[in-house]
Amino acid sequence: EAQVTQNPRYLITVTGKKLTVTCSQNMNHEYMSWYRQDPGLGLRQIYYSMNVEVTDKGDVPEGYKVSRKEKRNFPLILESPSPNQTSLYFCASSWSGGPDEQFFGPGTRLTVL
Amino acid sequence: AQSVTQLGSHVSVSEGALVLLRCNYSSSVPPYLFWYVQYPNQGLQLLLKYLSGSTLVKGINGFEAEFKKSETSFHLTKPSAHMSDAAEYFCAVPDGGFKTIFGAGTRLFVKA
Repeated sequence: EAQVTQNPRYLITVTGKKLTVTCSQNMNHEYMSWYRQDPGLGLRQIYYSMNVEVTDKGDVPEGYKVSRKEKRNFPLILESPSPNQTSLYFCASSWSGGPDEQFFGPGTRLTVL
Repeated sequence: AQSVTQLGSHVSVSEGALVLLRCNYSSSVPPYLFWYVQYPNQGLQLLLKYLSGSTLVKGINGFEAEFKKSETSFHLTKPSAHMSDAAEYFCAVPDGGFKTIFGAGTRLFVKA
């Protein structure tokens, strides 16, 4: 089954404790992206990747890191989480971005205390 | 840079009534346009998209949207709402090739 998986689905952590949210897709997509969803703000793009070793900032990259060492994986790293990063995070993938449909993972609900 | 405005954070309709969800984008250049739907506790899935050609686009579950360049709009409609349509709907536009801008979303409530 074609899908985007994220882990963990739920995470409660404390300020400053480094964490990684994993994202994996099995569709051989070149494009992957991370979004955060906050009430009243919709989805805002954090980072995206056009291919292996090629990443770029979205609209809200501060406090986040990403890497794309393999085509299928695109982890999101919070090196020193803060309460304002409490949010619902989605990973998505598509063939090449732009006009292509994005396929979304189920989401990761992160709470930073 | 692109921006997307969805008028109305909440829309409530009765079952069987017309659904109209509004989306306006900022660019004067006809862009690619998308509508996604998010059911409770799920990720987003594509409803429909406009790339070029016919300005009336049909999607899944009976939804359609019309691209109007003169109004910079891409409103989503469905003739008859069903309880299963209750969800949050997002309009989206690519920005600069690889970035994507989403609207703030409209939550649709369907009353029995």
